[in-house]
This record gives sequence, C-alpha cells and structure tokens, in this order.
Amino acid sequence: KQEVTQIPAALSVPEGENLVLNCSFTDSAIYNLQWFRQDPGKGLTSLLLIQSSQREQTSGRLNASLDKSSGRSTLYIAASQPGDSATYLCAAADSNYQLIWGAGTKLIIKP
Amino acid sequence: NAGVTQTPKFQVLKTGQSMTLQCAQDMNHEYMSWYRQDPGMGLRLIHYSVGAGITDQGEVPNGYNVSRSTTEDFPLRLLSAAPSQTSVYFCASSYARGVNEKLFFGSGTQLSVL
Repeated sequence: KQEVTQIPAALSVPEGENLVLNCSFTDSAIYNLQWFRQDPGKGLTSLLLIQSSQREQTSGRLNASLDKSSGRSTLYIAASQPGDSATYLCAAADSNYQLIWGAGTKLIIKP
Repeated sequence: NAGVTQTPKFQVLKTGQSMTLQCAQDMNHEYMSWYRQDPGMGLRLIHYSVGAGITDQGEVPNGYNVSRSTTEDFPLRLLSAAPSQTSVYFCASSYARGVNEKLFFGSGTQLSVL
C-alpha cells in the first residue's frame, strides 16, 4: 500500500532564502506527483503536477522534481517571501487515479 | 467565477444528529469528491462521483452517504454523527477523473461532533 511522507512537519526560514520541501513515497508505480498549497481557512490550491514520465516542472519561483527510482519528490522555492507561508502538501496518484496524500509541511517565512 | 463552494464553513453537532454538507461547482466538472483532513494525517477520500447519477466509495466511506443528481451539486450526508467524524471536510472537483487532471478545492467545512 502506497504511503506518502513529508518531513519535516514544520519549517521556519528567514525571508529571501532558497528552500527545499521533501516528499517521499513507498511505491514507485505512480502516475503523477502533485504539490498543493493550503492557506489557513482556505482550500487547497494546485501548484505543480509532475507526470510519471517527467523529471521536473517549474512555475515562477517554484520547481518540483520527481525521482521515482528513489521514491522522492522535492519542491524548491527560490527567494522565499512572507507570502509563501502556508502548508505544502504532496500527493501521489496511483493506478486507480486515487491520490495518496502526505500530511504536509507547514512553512513559515520570517520577515 | 465562484469555483467550488462549500457550506457551511463551521458546524457543531451532537452525537447522533444528522446533517448535510453542501458542495457546488460552476465549472461543469464531471468529477467531484469529498475528503476529510485530520491533524497529522494526509487527506483521505470519502466518496467520489464521475458524473451525475454515479457515485463510488473512497478510502473511508463508513458513516457517510452521497448522491449526485446534477452535475453541479455533490452533497455529503452524515446520517448519525459520531465524535470520530470531527474533522475538516473538503470538496474537490476536476474536469474528468483522469490521472493528470487538475483538482479544484472548496474552502472546507470544519465539523465538531460532541
């Protein structure tokens, strides 16, 4: 059974730093890996989707990578800003189109 | 453009009460789903629908019912609330049930069962 883990559960960094969020999964037979952002009191917003045949996807200051052989995905945030403070969740899609979710990393960017 | 709308935002129930969480989308999406989010855990799928008149169970369906009479609406019913159903509930939709379809989420319903 697929398990998705995000470590650490919380992370605090000064504004302006580049940072990496980690996501690991136990079954490499995934169809895609998705990253979402969750703000308090709001729903989740899709950030990036990496298909199983791809190695990375970029959107603005965000870059997500996927290494199926090692069971890892990373979300790289460049030049972090206070507005990047949120909880970031990753989810792996299995062969039944179901998303298996990590518990998230709560990111705080200190001004 | 409203997207996915969930009501209510907050609800407190007593054990044994019933209620319906409402979800509506205005994007003509065929696929709709309900998730629950508990502290320290990933989202878990409760029920989903691939179109009007079609529903199926997810990972944690017990204690919940759904129906899909229209493309726009996908209500979630708690028949007899239990404290274990205290959670944050999210409705999500996408154009179709596909591996690479982008999911759109509502803002959630925080439910407490006493």
